[in-house]
Amino acid sequence: GAVVSQHPSWVICKSGTSVKIECRSLDFQATTMFWYRQFPKQSLMLMATSNEGSKATYEQGVEKDKFLINHASLTLSTLTVTSAHPEDSSFYICSARDPMNYEQYFGPGTRLTVT
Amino acid sequence: AQRVTQPEKLLSVFKGAPVELKCNYSYSGSPELFWYVQYSRQRLQLLLRHISRESIKGFTADLNKGETSFHLKKPFAQEEDSAMYYCALRVAFTGGGNKLTFGTGTQLKVEL
Repeated sequence: GAVVSQHPSWVICKSGTSVKIECRSLDFQATTMFWYRQFPKQSLMLMATSNEGSKATYEQGVEKDKFLINHASLTLSTLTVTSAHPEDSSFYICSARDPMNYEQYFGPGTRLTVT
Repeated sequence: AQRVTQPEKLLSVFKGAPVELKCNYSYSGSPELFWYVQYSRQRLQLLLRHISRESIKGFTADLNKGETSFHLKKPFAQEEDSAMYYCALRVAFTGGGNKLTFGTGTQLKVEL
C-alpha cells in the first residue's frame, strides 16, 4: 500500500521556539493532506486540511497563526508549531489522501515535547 | 454536526471467543463508515469500509442505518487482533472536500 512518512519522529524543544514537522507521500501525489493531534489514550482530532497550492482549512478552535501549514508540493506538507508552549506537547499525525482511490494513508506520527 | 461514539474504552476477550466492537454515529446525511486499526507501535491503517462489504482478517462490519450503528465483529478472536480500533465517519463538505471524524477508540485485548 501507499506510504506516508513523517519527520522527525520525535522532537524536544524549549518553550518559545518553533518546530517544523514534515509529512511526505512517498509513492503517490496527494493534493490533500490532513493534520491530526492525539492526546494520550484519546482519539485523533483533526486540526486542519492541507490543500496543495492553497490555504489550509482549519477546524474550529485551532489557531491558524499558531499552527502554520504549508502544502507547497504534491508530496509534501509541513506543520510549524510557532512559539511552542508545554501545552502544545502532543502526538501529531498526518495523513495523505490518494486521489486514485480516495483512501487516506497515515504517517507514523511525531511526538512533540515542549519543555 | 457529525459524531462517532465508541462506548467501550477497553474490551478484553479470551482467544477463540467472539468479538464485537461497538460504534454508533450521528449524521444527517448519507454516511460513509470505516474501521481503522492501530497495532502496538505502528501507524493507523484502514481495516475495512462499509461500502466494500468485505471481510478483512476475519472481521466484518454491517452498517445499520436504523440503529445508526457500524459494529465490528469477528467470530473467533486471535491473539494478533489485540490493538486499538477506531471507528470513523467520512463526511463531505462544501467545496468538494471531505474529512474523517474518529471515535475515541476501543482497545481490544485478546487473552490466552
